[in-house]
Amino acid sequence: SQTIHQWPATLVQPVGSPLSLECTVEGTSNPNLYWYRQAAGRGLQLLFYSVGIGQISSEVPQNLSASRPQDRQFILSSKKLLLSDSGFYLCAWSVLGRQGGTEAFFGQGTRLTVV
Amino acid sequence: AQTVTQSQPEMSVQEAETVTLSCTYDTSESDYYLFWYKQPPSRQMILVIRQEAYKQQNATENRFSVNFQKAAKSFSLKISDSQLGDAAMYFCAYRSKYGGSQGNLIFGKGTKLSVKP
Repeated sequence: SQTIHQWPATLVQPVGSPLSLECTVEGTSNPNLYWYRQAAGRGLQLLFYSVGIGQISSEVPQNLSASRPQDRQFILSSKKLLLSDSGFYLCAWSVLGRQGGTEAFFGQGTRLTVV
Repeated sequence: AQTVTQSQPEMSVQEAETVTLSCTYDTSESDYYLFWYKQPPSRQMILVIRQEAYKQQNATENRFSVNFQKAAKSFSLKISDSQLGDAAMYFCAYRSKYGGSQGNLIFGKGTKLSVKP
């Protein structure tokens, strides 16, 4: 069965420090991978998606970047965190079948607080 | 671009009663998927139910069912026999059938459901 792992679960970082959040998927190959951010009391905003190794698309301009060094690994990074980067970050995966896209499956999320 | 609107920021239901959460969407596509996700206090996103646009029959999953009105672009979620564990944020989401940027989930802002004992 497929599983998705996301870590760390909680992170408190000072302004100006770097960030690295990691997400890995098991039990599937060539998944679409996504990073979402959820601000307090609000919906989910898509940050990045990837359809393959080294292929990253950004949905919104921001202080963050993403990389996909391996088929089932997706990393969210920042060189210098801002206060506005605080939020709840969710990694997700989905696959495309003959019937088109399916639902997305989510990791357990990372609560990032920038202080 | 597609949009998803949930007009009820908060809803409340008595335990064992039935509640309906509303969702409307806007798209020019004819084939797509619609989803309801549940986010309990743990914040894990859990898929509740899925509807494929080309299927006229409304999807059901145990106590959860949808009323899919394609012409009206409406996709409401009905929870029957509400339980305390149903208390959560509920998100309606849209997805184009095909991949790339069009395969991404587009979420509404959510409805917070409270269940009263």
